[in-house]
Amino acid sequence: RKEVEQDPGPFNVPEGATVAFNCTYSNSASQSFFWYRQDCRKEPKLLMSVYSSGNEDGRFTAQLNRASQYISLLIRDSKLSDSATYLCVSPSTSGTYKYIFGTGTRLKVLA
Amino acid sequence: DAGVIQSPRHEVTEMGQEVTLRCKPISGHDYLFWYRQTMMRGLELLIYFNNNVPIDDSGMPEDRFSAKMPNASFSTLKIQPSEPRDSAVYFCASSLSGYQPQHFGDGTRLSIL
Repeated sequence: RKEVEQDPGPFNVPEGATVAFNCTYSNSASQSFFWYRQDCRKEPKLLMSVYSSGNEDGRFTAQLNRASQYISLLIRDSKLSDSATYLCVSPSTSGTYKYIFGTGTRLKVLA
Repeated sequence: DAGVIQSPRHEVTEMGQEVTLRCKPISGHDYLFWYRQTMMRGLELLIYFNNNVPIDDSGMPEDRFSAKMPNASFSTLKIQPSEPRDSAVYFCASSLSGYQPQHFGDGTRLSIL
């Protein structure tokens, strides 16, 4: 099993829709998680940190479910500019300060 | 504020040649990470440093790859000899501490012919 697993998508949604992605992780001791956004041919950029039960930033909400070992990202009122690949990040089971990036979920917001 | 700076942005070279990628982390960041990204394998951690000391190099694919961090503001990733399968985007990232988020450079797009 991969340490971090994401549905690759693509998720095609109309503008204004609400969309949610899940990400499962293996390290049950993990305390900190991150969501990154990566545009085509660009570097990953930090979207949100998730340190406890969750985090909210405008239209974006991240939640952590420790019992089932997954984190989710909810995007409300989707914009065309939200089209990107969203990467989930979790600490590795095999090293301190070593983080594993998921392969990403691709989102396309359609006009 | 200056972010992570990588050079070159693009590199095209023939197999067998030595390739050197460079990275300047964000000032004050104690951790530096080198990643490789391909369509097939996604983003893979190659090696990371803490206070200029290599901590985990288990992701370095083979002995042809080496990385150094001679001081807090500079790191290199070297491939010698290069092979076509090394073609990928190589990212450098830095973080303030081990549990803080990482900030990425623009990456080096490497093509080995």
